[in-house]
Amino acid sequence: IAGITQAPTSQILAAGRRMTLRCTQDMRHNAMYWYRQDLGLGLRLIHYSNTAGTTGKGEVPDGYSVSRANTDDFPLTLASAVPSQTSVYFCASSDGAGVTDTQYFGPGTRLTVL
Amino acid sequence: GQNIDQPTEMTATEGAIVQINCTYQTSGFNGLFWYQQHAGEAPTFLSYNVLDGLEEKGRFSSFLSRSKGYSYLLLKELQMKDSASYLCAVISNDYKLSFGAGTTVTVRA
Repeated sequence: IAGITQAPTSQILAAGRRMTLRCTQDMRHNAMYWYRQDLGLGLRLIHYSNTAGTTGKGEVPDGYSVSRANTDDFPLTLASAVPSQTSVYFCASSDGAGVTDTQYFGPGTRLTVL
Repeated sequence: GQNIDQPTEMTATEGAIVQINCTYQTSGFNGLFWYQQHAGEAPTFLSYNVLDGLEEKGRFSSFLSRSKGYSYLLLKELQMKDSASYLCAVISNDYKLSFGAGTTVTVRA
């Protein structure tokens, strides 16, 4: 059972470059999420998608974009990376977007922007 | 905004009990999750509380008091493998999870 996969595992990126973080789930979950995790701040929601074809903004969406062309994939794009986007990025999915739906997390992508 | 507070660090001895407190002030309340996260790994689900009271799952229990905006995670019979960060997360009126910064628990022999 793969669950959620993310790629790359880690990346060092020059400021100003474009970068897409990939996320794929094989659980046929409707909802998917992108979080960033920074020391002392906890996980913060960047963008989410309640179902294929729809997306929404989370707590910290600026500088990021997402798309949800199908159920399985939810890529996160940094159009022009900045050093403040250095973080660990986690993708998550849940069966639905309801209050009792547990979110399951991918292994994370460690991104460093220089 | 959402405000979720938990202690930064706790240390305990193998075999002991540790209680991790979480207080929250959020825009509405639709449930509270606890996740475990080992260093360098993804968070994994531990428990979910939506009604007041204690939920027990083996060595781990979670308690909720909605009137006090308070929850705790109780870890009993601590094992070395329980050394991890424990994340408290609340679902507010927008149905999105807001996380606390996490509590790092270190279990010593």
